[in-house]
Amino acid sequence: DVKVTQSSRYLVKRTGEKVFLECVQDMDHENMFWYRQDPGLGLRLIYFSYDVKMKEKGDIPEGYSVSREKKERFSLILESASTNQTSMYLCASSFSWGRDSPLHFGNGTRLTVT
Amino acid sequence: DAKTTQPNSMESNEEEPVHLPCNHSTISGTDYIHWYRQLPSQGPEYVIHGLTSNVNNRMASLAIAEDRKSSTLILHRATLRDAAVYYCILIGGGSNYKLTFGKGTLLTVNP
Repeated sequence: DVKVTQSSRYLVKRTGEKVFLECVQDMDHENMFWYRQDPGLGLRLIYFSYDVKMKEKGDIPEGYSVSREKKERFSLILESASTNQTSMYLCASSFSWGRDSPLHFGNGTRLTVT
Repeated sequence: DAKTTQPNSMESNEEEPVHLPCNHSTISGTDYIHWYRQLPSQGPEYVIHGLTSNVNNRMASLAIAEDRKSSTLILHRATLRDAAVYYCILIGGGSNYKLTFGKGTLLTVNP
């Protein structure tokens, strides 16, 4: 089975801090994604990557950046955390760039910014 | 993105079949129908997907209408572990990976 591992389940940070959320997948998947999930708003795509060092903005990239230096690792960076970035963050991966390729999600990181 | 419509909630009894409907009247010819579920405090989990034909796997079955404007996820014998939010989403072609997860259907399974 595909395993997508997010480094932290819970994280508490202060406003203005730089925050790194790490995600690792073990199945040599090409594509990786970062979503945030908020009550009433569903899952919203922040960024995705289709190859090493390649990235594309999703629907809500403002205040975030990403890094993919190795195929298995995709990092989400909050340059200066704000309270409105308190959320559940979900990482996902998929094998190829195709509609027939399902997404595999990690268990999420619940980030609280105080 | 083509949108999907699902009931907000459904209830079932343990060991009975469950049919979870999804309407997607604006589906395009190249959209795949995917189903995911999310258990409490976990990330979404892939369940099944299909294009035109009905699909079966160890978790569930997917019945797709002939006009593809609706589909039904079938859990053959619901267990308490199947209680979750079920999402039906469409994944289309090109670079459109801005997947829209709606609010899904909250399935409650009664013992």
